[in-house]
Amino acid sequence: RKEVEQDPGPFNVPEGATVAFNCTYSNSASQSFFWYRQDCRKEPKLLMSVYSSGNEDGRFTAQLNRASQYISLLIRDSKLSDSATYLCVVNYKAAGNKLTFGGGTRVLVKP
Amino acid sequence: GAGVSQTPSNKVTEKGKYVELRCDPISGHTALYWYRQSLGQGPEFLIYFQGTGAADDSGLPNDRFFAVRPEGSVSTLKIQRTERGDSAVYLCASSLGAGSSPLHFGNGTRLTVT
Repeated sequence: RKEVEQDPGPFNVPEGATVAFNCTYSNSASQSFFWYRQDCRKEPKLLMSVYSSGNEDGRFTAQLNRASQYISLLIRDSKLSDSATYLCVVNYKAAGNKLTFGGGTRVLVKP
Repeated sequence: GAGVSQTPSNKVTEKGKYVELRCDPISGHTALYWYRQSLGQGPEFLIYFQGTGAADDSGLPNDRFFAVRPEGSVSTLKIQRTERGDSAVYLCASSLGAGSSPLHFGNGTRLTVT
């Protein structure tokens, strides 16, 4: 089993709709969680950190479920510019702060 | 301020040759990470430095790969006897501290081994 797993998609989303997807992690000792966005042939860029109580940044909401060992990202009122690959990142402090990426979830927002 | 800088942006080399990839992190960032990304995959961890020392090199695929950061700033990833399977985008990232701080990535070096 991979340490960090994501549904690769693509998630085809009508413009204005809501889309949500998860990322599961295998190590219960994980401490820090992030969502990154990566556009085609570009470097990953931080979208948001994920806090234990959940957090929101505009149209984006991130949640952490420690019991079931997953994080989620929800995008409301999808824009065409939200089309990208969304990467989750998990820090295993026990592994010496190695930040591990999932394979990414591709989202395509269509008019 | 300046972001993470990686050079070269593209490198084409013949199988068996030696290559060096350079990363200049954001000033003041003590942690520096190297990742490798193949098409359609997420970034794969290679090594990270805390200061000058390699804190975790468990992701280096074999002894042909080596990285240094002699003064705690610029880092060089070195690949000996390159193979076609080494072709990928090599990403460097830096952060204020290892683990809990977000990563800031460079644009990457696209390595093609022919």
